[in-house]
Amino acid sequence: GAVVSQHPSWVICKSGTSVKIECRSLDFQATTMFWYRQFPKQSLMLMATSNEGSKATYEQGVEKDKFLINHASLTLSTLTVTSAHPEDSSFYICSARVSYGYTFGSGTRLTVV
Amino acid sequence: AQTVTQSQPEMSVQEAETVTLSCTYDTSESDYYLFWYKQPPSRQMILVIRQEAYKQQNATENRFSVNFQKAAKSFSLKISDSQLGDAAMYFCAYRVIQGAQKLVFGQGTRLTINP
Repeated sequence: GAVVSQHPSWVICKSGTSVKIECRSLDFQATTMFWYRQFPKQSLMLMATSNEGSKATYEQGVEKDKFLINHASLTLSTLTVTSAHPEDSSFYICSARVSYGYTFGSGTRLTVV
Repeated sequence: AQTVTQSQPEMSVQEAETVTLSCTYDTSESDYYLFWYKQPPSRQMILVIRQEAYKQQNATENRFSVNFQKAAKSFSLKISDSQLGDAAMYFCAYRVIQGAQKLVFGQGTRLTINP
């Protein structure tokens, strides 16, 4: 089946630094990638939708300058959390649409200290 | 706007028994997809079952089946012969067929399996 590889699985960074999360589609071409944020014991909240070769579409309330999304190729989409602060600590998940539904990355746990 | 509601934050069931998780949604669309996803402690999202709204027949995948009531906008998941490995968060999700491809998720139901 279609696999999305997400890295890193966890990362700890200092406040004020930037962190990049990568999602690669291993055996298919992902024209669209969705980025979610999930707080403990809560549902997935869609942050943005990225399409290969074009600017990402951000959901209302999501700071586009803080959460930079790049989808430069059909197999790679990245989310960069810029100038991270403790409140950005969360679980981030990417997802791509496939024929039977959606396939998800394994998630990245970000802790900002 | 489309919304998905899961009114049961937590459910528990004895191993080998049957449990039903509830989901309702609100939409003005006539064509859409509905999904149940499972998120075990590993936090990897796993597709459990999918239903196309234009199909009257309820979807079934082994021990998992749905009760899709389009008029009532209800989409419940039945798990038969519950197994310890079924313990997870279960999310109901909705997507329109045309236009935006994004999934709208419910709040989730945490399912515990008692041995």
